[in-house]
Amino acid sequence: AQTVTQSQPEMSVQEAETVTLSCTYDTSENNYYLFWYKQPPSRQMILVIRQEAYKQQNATENRFSVNFQKAAKSFSLKISDSQLGDTAMYFCAFMKHVETGANSKLTFGKGITLSVRP
Amino acid sequence: DTGVSQNPRHKITKRGQNVTFRCDPISEHNRLYWYRQTLGQGPEFLTYFQNEAQLEKSRLLSDRFSAERPKGSFSTLEIQRTEQGDSAMYLCASSFHGVVYEQYFGPGTRLTVT
Repeated sequence: AQTVTQSQPEMSVQEAETVTLSCTYDTSENNYYLFWYKQPPSRQMILVIRQEAYKQQNATENRFSVNFQKAAKSFSLKISDSQLGDTAMYFCAFMKHVETGANSKLTFGKGITLSVRP
Repeated sequence: DTGVSQNPRHKITKRGQNVTFRCDPISEHNRLYWYRQTLGQGPEFLTYFQNEAQLEKSRLLSDRFSAERPKGSFSTLEIQRTEQGDSAMYLCASSFHGVVYEQYFGPGTRLTVT
């Protein structure tokens, strides 16, 4: 079974600054995917960024980037130039690779509440 | 199509009553997932469907819970004889077979059992 750990319950950052959210996971799988999802207050969850375990290059999506350390089983999210709209809960999630290429269930961490201060 | 929709958005019920939630996935998405999220926790997988077939159920899904997806379109999640511990946000997500990565989430149904 897979586990995802987010040990920081909450963080705060000044607008326009950079913040890093931590995530570690445990799995015996070699092929898998990792995700960061954002859940704004009273709004639905949306995908921020994803990383395929077989790719060494860290994923980047605009102001969001990850630091994926496969050996250490670490997957942190860096948000650059933080904006007020980044205020949300952020969840780290794991998905096992399925040979058929079909989608699989997500295993989530407990989440971290990020507050961006004006 | 504007995304995954869930109804009702909020449900308050008394312990022992039955409740049913509905999820309408994005059109042509053949995979549909149910998750449960309690306060301060991440979502936990309950079950998922490919078309009308229920392919996996979590051990969290006790026999008081039943999910269906008739005709492979919308899905319903029923909880019988609700307990206070069932109070949670019930999230639905859908995805398209062949696009491995992304599950699109609905806004959720918040259940409160009094």
